[in-house]
Amino acid sequence: GDSVTQMEGPVTLSEEAFLTINCTYTATGYPSLFWYVQYPGEGLQLLLKATKADDKGSNKGFEATYRKETTSFHLEKGSVQVSDSAVYFCALNQGGKLIFGQGTELSVKP
Amino acid sequence: GAVVSQHPSRVICKSGTSVKIECRSLDFQATTMFWYRQFPKQSLMLMATSNEGSKATYEQGVEKDKFLINHASLTLSTLTVTSAHPEDSSFYICSARVSGRDEQYFGPGTRLTVT
Repeated sequence: GDSVTQMEGPVTLSEEAFLTINCTYTATGYPSLFWYVQYPGEGLQLLLKATKADDKGSNKGFEATYRKETTSFHLEKGSVQVSDSAVYFCALNQGGKLIFGQGTELSVKP
Repeated sequence: GAVVSQHPSRVICKSGTSVKIECRSLDFQATTMFWYRQFPKQSLMLMATSNEGSKATYEQGVEKDKFLINHASLTLSTLTVTSAHPEDSSFYICSARVSGRDEQYFGPGTRLTVT
């Protein structure tokens, strides 16, 4: 069945460092792909999405490109802030349901 | 736009009692709502899919008689945990989807503690 694999956390970075969180997927067809962010004690917020191959989703300085060839949707940000500390989930849409990766915890130190 | 609320945010109940959690889409109509359970430091586990006006579809291994879901209107779904036990203690999150779109909008979650 469809699945999503994320790089393991926690990831610890200094403020203004470059961020990459890897995400690869296995799916039949070409599902929509998403990144969600969860701040401590809260629900998930949609960060960005891409609906087809080569689409780039972007929001709040974060970007991810839908790569069909490598079945990947890696999340990047050029300069992280302390306020970016959260858990990030990669997900794909399977028949109307979201399949989530295991989540990657990001901690940004001042 | 696309705001989903949950109530209550935290609830503590005694073993054997029932608890109802509400999920509302505040500024849009949600034909489909989803209920998830999340354990500490883990991903979300889909419990059931709820369509307005019809019975919920439960994922394998989820007891439908224990986790009662009602989707009475296009803006409200409820999850009732019946005869709660300490092992039901968890973070419950709902989400809602707009008809024709594939992203889901999530509520802030409800922390249930059963003593």
